[in-house]
Amino acid sequence: DAGVIQSPRHEVTEMGQEVTLRCKPISGHNSLFWYRQTMMRGLELLIYFNNNVPIDDSGMPEDRFSAKMPNASFSTLKIQPSEPRDSAVYFCASSFGTGGRDEQFFGPGTRLTVL
Amino acid sequence: AQKITQTQPGMFVQEKEAVTLDCTYDTSDPSYGLFWYKQPSSGEMIFLIYQGSYDQQNATEGRYSLNFQKARKSANLVISASQLGDSAMYFCAMISWGAGGTSYGKLTFGQGTILTVHP
Repeated sequence: DAGVIQSPRHEVTEMGQEVTLRCKPISGHNSLFWYRQTMMRGLELLIYFNNNVPIDDSGMPEDRFSAKMPNASFSTLKIQPSEPRDSAVYFCASSFGTGGRDEQFFGPGTRLTVL
Repeated sequence: AQKITQTQPGMFVQEKEAVTLDCTYDTSDPSYGLFWYKQPSSGEMIFLIYQGSYDQQNATEGRYSLNFQKARKSANLVISASQLGDSAMYFCAMISWGAGGTSYGKLTFGQGTILTVHP
């Protein structure tokens, strides 16, 4: 069974451009999480969904960031307009979302560089 | 609110020796679980081991064991017989939920510990 799939794996863009990161969770998982990882701030939870519904977006840094989950097998994280400080590795993770032994399975990440 | 504290930014260990990575947690929820993840230099996040708050025995998975001390709110990871491939960042994480509630699977992560294994 395929794990969490993220695309693109690497993205280099210029300041002001729109960036869209994509994620396909593991089939059957009900919760999906978007994280950002930087050296300075570590691993930050940006937003998470359960059954395609956003549960908590308090980690989204600014209005420039938005996320959607139109169906159980696809989610996007969009940054518009992008800024150099958005450069980071963005991870998507999924889990069954029921609590208990509910480990999250992470995708390989998207390394974003904003010039 | 939940909190995970990893006080060791970096640790060094000799190959074949055992090493303990510290993790303390804080939650007011009666039910919770502790996880450890490994992140090698290649960047992927790998699940290692899980301990539930009501588990009677400490969890073990191969060379990994979790030293769970509930009264001290600690969940230290012990790696036995270290290997060069164990060099990585290690994250402690927690899931918790109140009576009748659900966490939706949300994990709270610590800041991580970088482990370096010397030959």
